[in-house]
Amino acid sequence: EVQLVESGGALVQSGGSLRLSCAASGFTFSTYSMSWVRQAPGKGLEWVSHISSSSSTIYYVDSVKGRFTISRDNANNSLYLEMNSLRAEDTAVYFCARDNVLAATPSYYYAMDVWGQGTAVTVSS
Amino acid sequence: DIQMTQSPSSLSASVGDRVTITCRARQSASRYLNWYQQKPGKPPKLLIYAASTLQSGVPSRFSGSGGGTEFTLTINSLQPEDFAVYYCQQSYSARTFGQGTKVEIK
Repeated sequence: EVQLVESGGALVQSGGSLRLSCAASGFTFSTYSMSWVRQAPGKGLEWVSHISSSSSTIYYVDSVKGRFTISRDNANNSLYLEMNSLRAEDTAVYFCARDNVLAATPSYYYAMDVWGQGTAVTVSS
Repeated sequence: DIQMTQSPSSLSASVGDRVTITCRARQSASRYLNWYQQKPGKPPKLLIYAASTLQSGVPSRFSGSGGGTEFTLTINSLQPEDFAVYYCQQSYSARTFGQGTKVEIK
């Protein structure tokens, strides 16, 4: 079964740090790009970061640049999000998602086709 | 990054209705546009990718169209299980989601 399981969410003080993990199983993790997406309480989805299969391409939303770092360990089928200088507005459920190429002609069309259940991060001020 | 705006933010509809949700991009996203459905307490589910291609297993009453800066998600004959929040998302330049459209029961 294709599965993503997030962990590491917690209650942390403003200015603190946290590392989220996402364990992948049921597919060849090393061949897929991955993304982190978050959802603040009662709000919509916000894409946070993307990493390519080889870690050669990384993107961040402007609001986390310089504070969050995405990484992966293909040998251990794991995705990470290192979060520093946390703010109250980072409070959210964080989902990891497989960012898959679902169509390759005439170009590469990516979509997030597998999602974890999410892990909750609460930043107290 | 490309800003995405959905309309309406919410709508009320009845079972059997046809529902249309629009997603507009501030600049061209070509056809790099996906649609997701999210129910309370659950992660999003991919419905449509590349603007109009139905994801495997998704009912054919869902369809997508458009390109460039304007995209549409249509649900024909709304079913009880379709009441949810729908999001568009572009993958042309990094990634961005629209703010969501809540489809409620009338």
